[in-house]
Amino acid sequence: DAKTTQPNSMESNEEEPVHLPCNHSTISGTDYIHWYRQLPSQGPEYVIHGLTSNVNNRMASLAIAEDRKSSTLILHRATLRDAAVYYCILRYNNNDMRFGAGTRLTVKP
Amino acid sequence: DGGITQSPKYLFRKEGQNVTLSCEQNLNHDAMYWYRQDPGQGLRLIYYSQIVNDFQKGDIAEGYSVSREKKESFPLTVTSAQKNPTAFYLCASSIDYSNQPQHFGDGTRLSIL
Repeated sequence: DAKTTQPNSMESNEEEPVHLPCNHSTISGTDYIHWYRQLPSQGPEYVIHGLTSNVNNRMASLAIAEDRKSSTLILHRATLRDAAVYYCILRYNNNDMRFGAGTRLTVKP
Repeated sequence: DGGITQSPKYLFRKEGQNVTLSCEQNLNHDAMYWYRQDPGQGLRLIYYSQIVNDFQKGDIAEGYSVSREKKESFPLTVTSAQKNPTAFYLCASSIDYSNQPQHFGDGTRLSIL
């Protein structure tokens, strides 16, 4: 199974950009890269996903390395509401998701 | 508003007792899932259902059972065979069983008395 590696925790200042890294050196050609985030005592929330090209939506941007062995979730202006655990997930066989421990993002005012 | 509703929010189980967690969605999604989350860890898949009257075991199905008699409902029963049931249980759905994003409920926290 392809696995992901993320830092355990990161800190950011409010209104500054945040770059959350994810390594996935054993990714296969058909694996999509998904990002979810989870606030305390809530279910995860979908953030963004991509295959090869960089992706943007209203929540974030996803930058995927050319060799696809790493990716970065970019929050352009962090707010206090962005404080959460962020999960980088590879989806293979079209669906199965494997959640790791994620990165706990702290946003300082 | 469309979404996924899990109930109850908190549940207590006595030793040897079966308990059922409810999950209802009004998103008209075909696929539904149950995950378990232990403190400080990621989610692990218990069961999933691609379509009504069909369900498949996930990574940690032992001690759990499900049914999918209606499209909008996917209840999970935690049986007495599950020896360590204390956890946060999350239900999710997606348009179909594919790479589409999954939408999650707010979870049920199960504890043992």
